[in-house]
Amino acid sequence: DTEVTQTPKHLVMGMTNKKSLKCEQHMGHRAMYWYKQKAKKPPELMFVYSYEKLSINESVPSRFSPECPNSSLLNLHLHALQPEDSALYLCASSQDWDRNYNEQFFGPGTRLTVL
Amino acid sequence: AQSVTQLDSQVPVFEEAPVELRCNYSSSVSVYLFWYVQYPNQGLQLLLKYLSGSTLVKGINGFEAEFNKSQTSFHLRKPSVHISDTAEYFCAVSEVLTGGGNKLTFGTGTQLKVEL
Repeated sequence: DTEVTQTPKHLVMGMTNKKSLKCEQHMGHRAMYWYKQKAKKPPELMFVYSYEKLSINESVPSRFSPECPNSSLLNLHLHALQPEDSALYLCASSQDWDRNYNEQFFGPGTRLTVL
Repeated sequence: AQSVTQLDSQVPVFEEAPVELRCNYSSSVSVYLFWYVQYPNQGLQLLLKYLSGSTLVKGINGFEAEFNKSQTSFHLRKPSVHISDTAEYFCAVSEVLTGGGNKLTFGTGTQLKVEL
Protein backbone atom coordinates (compact mmCIF):
# COMPACT_ATOMS: atom_id res chain seq x y z
CA ASP A 1 0.00 0.00 0.00
CA THR A 2 1.75 3.18 -1.20
CA GLU A 3 -1.12 5.53 -0.54
CA VAL A 4 -1.69 8.51 1.70
CA THR A 5 -5.39 9.15 2.28
CA GLN A 6 -6.98 12.40 3.40
CA THR A 7 -10.48 13.16 4.60
CA PRO A 8 -12.59 15.03 3.88
CA LYS A 9 -11.94 15.90 0.22
CA HIS A 10 -13.77 19.19 0.58
CA LEU A 11 -14.63 21.25 3.64
CA VAL A 12 -16.56 24.49 3.97
CA MET A 13 -16.52 26.16 7.36
CA GLY A 14 -17.41 29.43 9.00
CA MET A 15 -14.94 31.51 10.93
CA THR A 16 -16.38 30.37 14.28
CA ASN A 17 -16.41 26.65 13.50
CA LYS A 18 -14.07 23.95 14.76
CA LYS A 19 -13.19 21.22 12.31
CA SER A 20 -10.44 18.66 11.75
CA LEU A 21 -8.58 17.31 8.76
CA LYS A 22 -7.42 13.71 8.85
CA CYS A 23 -4.49 11.99 7.14
CA GLU A 24 -3.59 8.31 7.20
CA GLN A 25 -0.81 6.14 5.77
CA HIS A 26 -0.02 2.45 6.12
CA MET A 27 3.44 2.39 4.57
CA GLY A 28 5.19 2.23 7.93
CA HIS A 29 6.52 5.75 7.46
CA ARG A 30 7.65 7.56 10.59
CA ALA A 31 7.62 11.16 9.33
CA MET A 32 4.43 12.98 8.41
CA TYR A 33 3.84 16.48 7.09
CA TRP A 34 1.19 19.15 6.58
CA TYR A 35 1.48 21.57 3.66
CA LYS A 36 -0.71 24.49 2.62
CA GLN A 37 -1.12 25.29 -1.07
CA LYS A 38 -2.81 28.42 -2.38
CA ALA A 39 -4.03 28.55 -5.97
CA LYS A 40 -1.25 28.81 -8.57
CA LYS A 41 1.41 28.57 -5.83
CA PRO A 42 3.75 25.82 -4.64
CA PRO A 43 3.04 23.93 -1.41
CA GLU A 44 4.34 25.55 1.76
CA LEU A 45 5.43 23.42 4.69
CA MET A 46 3.44 23.91 7.90
CA PHE A 47 4.36 21.09 10.29
CA VAL A 48 6.63 18.05 10.42
CA TYR A 49 6.23 15.10 12.78
CA SER A 50 8.93 12.49 13.23
CA TYR A 51 8.24 9.38 15.32
CA GLU A 52 5.06 11.07 16.58
CA LYS A 53 6.96 14.10 17.89
CA LEU A 54 6.68 17.58 16.42
CA SER A 55 9.91 18.26 14.56
CA ILE A 56 9.15 21.63 13.05
CA ASN A 57 6.44 24.29 13.13
CA GLU A 58 6.97 26.82 10.38
CA SER A 59 5.58 29.74 12.40
CA VAL A 60 2.02 28.64 11.73
CA PRO A 61 -0.75 30.60 13.55
CA SER A 62 -2.19 28.86 16.61
CA ARG A 63 -5.60 28.55 14.96
CA PHE A 64 -4.00 25.52 13.27
CA SER A 65 -3.25 22.74 15.76
CA PRO A 66 -1.57 19.52 14.58
CA GLU A 67 -1.82 16.18 16.31
CA CYS A 68 -0.10 12.86 15.66
CA PRO A 69 -1.93 10.22 17.75
CA ASN A 70 0.07 7.32 16.31
CA SER A 71 2.56 6.57 13.57
CA SER A 72 -0.15 6.13 10.92
CA LEU A 73 -2.38 9.10 11.66
CA LEU A 74 -1.98 12.85 11.42
CA ASN A 75 -4.69 15.36 12.22
CA LEU A 76 -4.95 19.09 11.73
CA HIS A 77 -7.43 20.80 14.04
CA LEU A 78 -8.89 24.07 12.78
CA HIS A 79 -10.46 26.79 14.91
CA ALA A 80 -11.39 30.42 14.25
CA LEU A 81 -9.97 30.41 10.75
CA GLN A 82 -9.91 33.40 8.43
CA PRO A 83 -11.03 33.54 4.79
CA GLU A 84 -7.38 33.81 3.73
CA ASP A 85 -6.84 30.31 5.17
CA SER A 86 -8.85 28.91 2.28
CA ALA A 87 -6.47 26.61 0.39
CA LEU A 88 -5.63 23.03 -0.50
CA TYR A 89 -4.15 21.26 2.53
CA LEU A 90 -1.81 18.45 1.63
CA CYS A 91 -0.53 15.68 3.85
CA ALA A 92 2.65 13.74 3.09
CA SER A 93 4.75 11.00 4.65
CA SER A 94 8.29 9.66 4.36
CA GLN A 95 10.12 6.72 5.88
CA ASP A 96 12.67 8.74 7.93
CA TRP A 97 14.92 5.87 9.08
CA ASP A 98 17.37 6.41 6.23
CA ARG A 99 17.67 10.10 5.44
CA ASN A 100 19.37 9.26 2.14
CA TYR A 101 16.03 7.97 0.87
CA ASN A 102 13.68 10.73 1.91
CA GLU A 103 11.03 10.74 -0.77
CA GLN A 104 7.74 12.21 0.41
CA PHE A 105 4.46 10.62 -0.65
CA PHE A 106 1.55 13.03 -0.91
CA GLY A 107 -2.16 12.59 -0.34
CA PRO A 108 -4.82 14.08 -2.67
CA GLY A 109 -5.47 16.98 -0.33
CA THR A 110 -8.44 18.61 1.38
CA ARG A 111 -9.89 21.66 -0.33
CA LEU A 112 -10.82 24.06 2.48
CA THR A 113 -13.07 27.07 2.06
CA VAL A 114 -13.54 29.48 4.97
CA LEU A 115 -16.58 31.73 4.71
CA ALA B 1 19.14 28.10 3.06
CA GLN B 2 18.46 25.88 0.11
CA SER B 3 16.29 27.07 -2.76
CA VAL B 4 15.26 26.21 -6.30
CA THR B 5 14.34 28.48 -9.17
CA GLN B 6 12.02 27.63 -12.02
CA LEU B 7 12.37 30.43 -14.51
CA ASP B 8 9.55 29.36 -16.83
CA SER B 9 6.07 29.82 -15.38
CA GLN B 10 4.42 28.40 -18.51
CA VAL B 11 5.70 26.19 -21.30
CA PRO B 12 3.41 25.56 -24.28
CA VAL B 13 4.37 22.68 -26.56
CA PHE B 14 2.77 20.66 -29.34
CA GLU B 15 1.98 17.01 -28.83
CA GLU B 16 4.85 14.64 -29.72
CA ALA B 17 7.39 17.46 -29.49
CA PRO B 18 10.26 17.34 -26.98
CA VAL B 19 10.17 19.50 -23.87
CA GLU B 20 12.61 20.75 -21.25
CA LEU B 21 11.53 22.30 -17.96
CA ARG B 22 14.31 24.21 -16.26
CA CYS B 23 15.30 24.11 -12.61
CA ASN B 24 18.29 25.67 -10.91
CA TYR B 25 19.17 25.09 -7.29
CA SER B 26 21.14 26.82 -4.60
CA SER B 27 22.70 24.75 -1.85
CA SER B 28 25.90 24.69 0.13
CA VAL B 29 25.53 21.10 1.28
CA SER B 30 24.66 17.71 -0.20
CA VAL B 31 21.74 18.10 -2.55
CA TYR B 32 18.65 15.98 -2.80
CA LEU B 33 16.52 17.09 -5.76
CA PHE B 34 13.04 16.07 -6.85
CA TRP B 35 10.55 16.71 -9.62
CA TYR B 36 6.86 16.41 -8.74
CA VAL B 37 3.82 16.68 -11.02
CA GLN B 38 0.41 17.97 -9.96
CA TYR B 39 -2.66 17.38 -12.10
CA PRO B 40 -5.67 19.68 -11.56
CA ASN B 41 -7.35 19.23 -8.18
CA GLN B 42 -4.95 16.48 -7.14
CA GLY B 43 -1.99 15.98 -4.83
CA LEU B 44 1.64 15.77 -5.91
CA GLN B 45 3.13 12.73 -7.58
CA LEU B 46 6.86 12.07 -7.65
CA LEU B 47 8.30 11.95 -11.18
CA LEU B 48 11.94 11.34 -10.28
CA LYS B 49 14.62 12.10 -7.73
CA TYR B 50 18.35 12.66 -7.48
CA LEU B 51 19.93 11.55 -4.22
CA SER B 52 23.44 10.50 -5.34
CA GLY B 53 25.19 8.43 -7.99
CA SER B 54 24.42 8.67 -11.69
CA THR B 55 23.68 12.21 -12.82
CA LEU B 56 21.11 11.04 -15.38
CA VAL B 57 17.93 10.09 -13.60
CA LYS B 58 15.03 8.32 -15.25
CA GLY B 59 11.54 8.64 -13.87
CA ILE B 60 7.99 7.66 -14.59
CA ASN B 61 5.96 8.49 -17.71
CA GLY B 62 9.09 8.76 -19.89
CA PHE B 63 10.60 11.73 -18.04
CA GLU B 64 14.28 12.09 -17.22
CA ALA B 65 16.48 14.72 -15.62
CA GLU B 66 20.17 15.46 -15.48
CA PHE B 67 21.94 16.69 -12.37
CA ASN B 68 24.63 19.20 -13.33
CA LYS B 69 26.70 20.31 -10.36
CA SER B 70 28.81 22.86 -12.24
CA GLN B 71 25.71 24.63 -13.56
CA THR B 72 23.65 23.93 -10.41
CA SER B 73 20.82 22.67 -12.59
CA PHE B 74 18.37 19.78 -12.61
CA HIS B 75 16.38 20.19 -15.83
CA LEU B 76 13.49 17.87 -16.64
CA ARG B 77 13.13 16.47 -20.16
CA LYS B 78 10.80 14.33 -22.18
CA PRO B 79 11.51 13.44 -25.82
CA SER B 80 7.87 13.32 -26.91
CA VAL B 81 5.00 14.75 -24.88
CA HIS B 82 1.38 13.68 -24.80
CA ILE B 83 -1.78 15.63 -24.09
CA SER B 84 -2.01 13.83 -20.75
CA ASP B 85 1.28 15.47 -19.65
CA THR B 86 -0.54 18.79 -19.27
CA ALA B 87 -0.04 19.63 -15.60
CA GLU B 88 1.93 21.74 -13.12
CA TYR B 89 5.50 20.62 -12.52
CA PHE B 90 7.43 21.46 -9.37
CA CYS B 91 11.15 21.16 -8.78
CA ALA B 92 12.08 20.75 -5.11
CA VAL B 93 15.16 20.50 -2.91
CA SER B 94 15.15 18.50 0.31
CA GLU B 95 16.88 19.39 3.56
CA VAL B 96 17.28 16.91 6.39
CA LEU B 97 15.86 18.31 9.63
CA THR B 98 17.73 17.95 12.90
CA GLY B 99 14.59 16.95 14.75
CA GLY B 100 13.55 14.36 12.20
CA GLY B 101 11.94 14.34 8.79
CA ASN B 102 13.03 16.51 5.93
CA LYS B 103 11.91 19.86 4.52
CA LEU B 104 10.94 20.16 0.86
CA THR B 105 11.37 23.61 -0.63
CA PHE B 106 9.56 23.95 -3.93
CA GLY B 107 10.14 26.15 -6.91
CA THR B 108 7.29 28.33 -8.13
CA GLY B 109 6.20 25.70 -10.62
CA THR B 110 5.98 25.41 -14.41
CA GLN B 111 2.65 24.91 -16.13
CA LEU B 112 3.18 22.56 -19.06
CA LYS B 113 0.43 22.91 -21.64
CA VAL B 114 0.44 20.35 -24.44
CA GLU B 115 -1.50 21.34 -27.52
CA LEU B 116 -2.68 19.34 -30.51
